[in-house]
Amino acid sequence: DGGITQSPKYLFRKEGQNVTLSCEQNLNHDAMYWYRQDPGQGLRLIYYSQIVNDFQKGDIAEGYSVSREKKESFPLTVTSAQKNPTAFYLCASSILGTQGRTIYFGEGSWLTVV
Amino acid sequence: GESVGLHLPTLSVQEGDNSIINCAYSNSASDYFIWYKQESGKGPQFIIDIRSNMDKRQGQRVTVLLNKTVKHLSLQIAATQPGDSAVYFCAENDNFNKFYFGSGTKLNVKP
Repeated sequence: DGGITQSPKYLFRKEGQNVTLSCEQNLNHDAMYWYRQDPGQGLRLIYYSQIVNDFQKGDIAEGYSVSREKKESFPLTVTSAQKNPTAFYLCASSILGTQGRTIYFGEGSWLTVV
Repeated sequence: GESVGLHLPTLSVQEGDNSIINCAYSNSASDYFIWYKQESGKGPQFIIDIRSNMDKRQGQRVTVLLNKTVKHLSLQIAATQPGDSAVYFCAENDNFNKFYFGSGTKLNVKP
C-alpha cells in the first residue's frame, strides 16, 4: 500500500539520550515534514524538507535534528537538548507546487521521557 | 506566524443529525484549505480540500464552505454517525509549502 510509515509507534527516552524516529514514504512526494502535537494544541512544525540533502527549520526546531539523504526517508532525532520531548510526533509529505498540495500524514509516534 | 483557529472546542450531536464545524483563518494570502479527521492516537486523515477560487465543495456526506470575505471555513457532515466521532481540524496553505493548523474541534456523536 502507498503511504507514510512511521516507527516506532511508542518510544521511551531516558534523560540525556538521543532518540531517532523513522519516517518512510512511498508516495514519491518531494516534500516531507515533521510536526509535534501536544494535547489540546495544533500541530507545530519542527523541520521540513523540499528536496534531498536540504531541509529547513520550522517553528520549534530547537533540540531536534533531521536528515534527508533519500527522497523517501526523513528521520527525526530528538536530542538531549530538547527539554520537554514528551509528545506525539507526526511525519507528513506532500507534492510541491500549486497543484496537489495536499499534505498526508503518517500514523504518528508517541515519545515519552522516563 | 499566521494562525488558524476554531470557534468550538467540543461539539456534541445526536446520531443522524448534521454537524457543522467552524474554522477561522487570519492569513489573507492563504489560497488552499484542508479539513482533517483525527481519531485518538492516530494520524490525521484527509477529508476534503478547497481552493480559494471556490466557495463550496462537496464530498461523500461532507461539504466544505469557504467565505473569504470573513476568512471563515466550515465543514458540514450530513447524517452524522458514531464513526464520525473524532477531532476535526482545518489547515491553511499560502503556496509556500508551509501549512498552519488549528487546534481542532472534538466531535462527539451520541447514539
